[in-house]
Amino acid sequence: EAQVTQNPRYLITVTGKKLTVTCSQNMNHEYMSWYRQDPGLGLRQIYYSMNVEVTDKGDVPEGYKVSRKEKRNFPLILESPSPNQTSLYFCATRTAYTGELFFGEGSRLTVL
Amino acid sequence: DAKTTQPPSMDCAEGRAANLPCNHSTISGNEYVYWYRQIHSQGPQYIIHGLKNNETNEMASLIITEDRKSSTLILPHATLRDTAVYYCVMNAGGTSYGKLTFGQGTILTVHP
Repeated sequence: EAQVTQNPRYLITVTGKKLTVTCSQNMNHEYMSWYRQDPGLGLRQIYYSMNVEVTDKGDVPEGYKVSRKEKRNFPLILESPSPNQTSLYFCATRTAYTGELFFGEGSRLTVL
Repeated sequence: DAKTTQPPSMDCAEGRAANLPCNHSTISGNEYVYWYRQIHSQGPQYIIHGLKNNETNEMASLIITEDRKSSTLILPHATLRDTAVYYCVMNAGGTSYGKLTFGQGTILTVHP
């Protein structure tokens, strides 16, 4: 079954404590991306990756890092989380054939 | 990517057609129109996409105006389970699919 798996699904942490949200896909897609979703603001793209070792900024990259060392994984790193990064995060992959996005189930992060 | 404008909310009676409009007056020639929906806080789900011809699949129909400046997603027989947020997204197809911008979407409420 085609899957995009995010972990953790829920996390409460404190300001400044580094954390990583993992994303893994089994569809062999080259493209992967991270979004955050906040009330009234819709989905905003944080970073995307067109292929291994190729990453680029989306609309709201500040405070985040990513890496793409292998095709199936695209972790989102918050080096020093702050309360304004409290949000619902989604990882997505995209097929080159139709351009359709496949989303993970989301990771709800709370920074106190 | 082109900017999209959607009404913030719409209502529809169960069993009737739901027609969701999207304005994308700045769309460029190589940009496709994609539609996604999000139920509660789940990951968005792909519905349909098109370039300039009308499209239909098992979920919905997509009508794109001749000048491509607007489109309408049609759910032919809406059910209560179609209550969701619907997003219209523009993106270039092929290999030019880096940045993807979601607007705030339309909250569709289907009532009995």
